[in-house]
Amino acid sequence: NAGVTQTPKFQVLKTGQSMTLQCAQDMNHNSMYWYRQDPGMGLRLIYYSASEGTTDKGEVPNGYNVSRLNKREFSLRLESAAPSQTSVYFCASSEVQPGIGGYTFGSGTRLTVV
Amino acid sequence: RKEVEQDPGPFNVPEGATVAFNCTYSNSASQSFFWYRQDCRKEPKLLMSVYSSGNEDGRFTAQLNRASQYISLLIRDSKLSDSATYLCVVNAFSGAGSYQLTFGKGTKLSVIP
Repeated sequence: NAGVTQTPKFQVLKTGQSMTLQCAQDMNHNSMYWYRQDPGMGLRLIYYSASEGTTDKGEVPNGYNVSRLNKREFSLRLESAAPSQTSVYFCASSEVQPGIGGYTFGSGTRLTVV
Repeated sequence: RKEVEQDPGPFNVPEGATVAFNCTYSNSASQSFFWYRQDCRKEPKLLMSVYSSGNEDGRFTAQLNRASQYISLLIRDSKLSDSATYLCVVNAFSGAGSYQLTFGKGTKLSVIP
């Protein structure tokens, strides 16, 4: 099925460990996004990529890096995980102007940092 | 002022009831508006876009008031399967060559048998 695929679905890290969250979409969308969702905080934008070859910071970029590997793939890296990064991470994609269609989300990665 | 504000609820309503959610947004340059639905421990999914003239999709009706910067969602004849969190979402040009969606924190609905 067409859509956004995220891996892994679950992950437990120790403080200070690093990891990369992977995201791929097969809808030929130009723009991709990484969000985190915490209880009571709603969805907060970490980084986005308006088009292949560009990335920009969102609302909460500290502690994260991203790579837009190609049009399909957009990865999120935690270089030195902290307990404050325990969250649910969602990748999303859209046309450059997400008008009628809005965003399509992946199923999420549940990350716990201990 | 928060960019997109919603009453967090929860709204507990009996099956068959009509329930309405409201949302206000602060960016007057916002161009597109949506309601998303998020089930527990799942990703948000687009429920419906909101058009200036108002629009309906089955039991769901969305309204937009640009002058008051206000969006609403009406659910008629509530079903148990409508239980979820409803996110109000606003799209505006980010100034960095792209549009971005800003999400409200959501309104939780529980439909009770």
